[in-house]
Amino acid sequence: ETGVTQSPTHLIKTRGQQVTLRCSSQSGHNTVSWYQQALGQGPQFIFQYYREEKNGRGNFPPRFSGLQFPNYSSELNVNALELDDSALYLCASSSELAETQYFGPGTRLLVL
Amino acid sequence: LAKTTQPISMDSYEGQEVNITCSHNNIATNDYITWYQQFPSQGPRFIIQGYKTKVTNEVASLFIPADRKSSTLSLPRVSLSDTAVYYCLVGASMDSSYKLIFGSGTRLLVRP
Repeated sequence: ETGVTQSPTHLIKTRGQQVTLRCSSQSGHNTVSWYQQALGQGPQFIFQYYREEKNGRGNFPPRFSGLQFPNYSSELNVNALELDDSALYLCASSSELAETQYFGPGTRLLVL
Repeated sequence: LAKTTQPISMDSYEGQEVNITCSHNNIATNDYITWYQQFPSQGPRFIIQGYKTKVTNEVASLFIPADRKSSTLSLPRVSLSDTAVYYCLVGASMDSSYKLIFGSGTRLLVRP
């Protein structure tokens, strides 16, 4: 059984660009959550998807968007990148809503 | 406004018991309380999860009072490798939307 995987592991972009981060959920999991973790801070909830529907959203602007595919993998898209978007982006999956979330290793995004 | 609060840091010695408390008001009625361990540049690692009273597994115990407004993670006999940041995670309903909220994190330093 494979765990949660994320790609790419590292990414460098410039201000104003767009980025897509990908997450493959753990086998048998139908719920995916995305988090942003700035250096030295705790993870901040971006949004959650359950069976391809958005279940909740944190306090992030609309340029943070996402989707979940029928195989329950997920994408996080960030448009018009800003310097403050530099962070570790974490994806977590769970077997059902409110069940234990298991995290991937994260994608480190640097915006120059 | 849902908020979680943890001590910023704690020091301990090898072999001692460490208790870390997280205060979480406005927790969602049906959600679990989950604790994670995180090492630098890695995704959070699941430690333990509970709904109420006491839960114990092979690495930790979790104590949750009846009002569920706080929880205490207990690490029975810490070792140097337990030096890490520990987070609580709860779900909350805010502004008619579901959100997942991490605590601010407790940096635990275990000394020989």
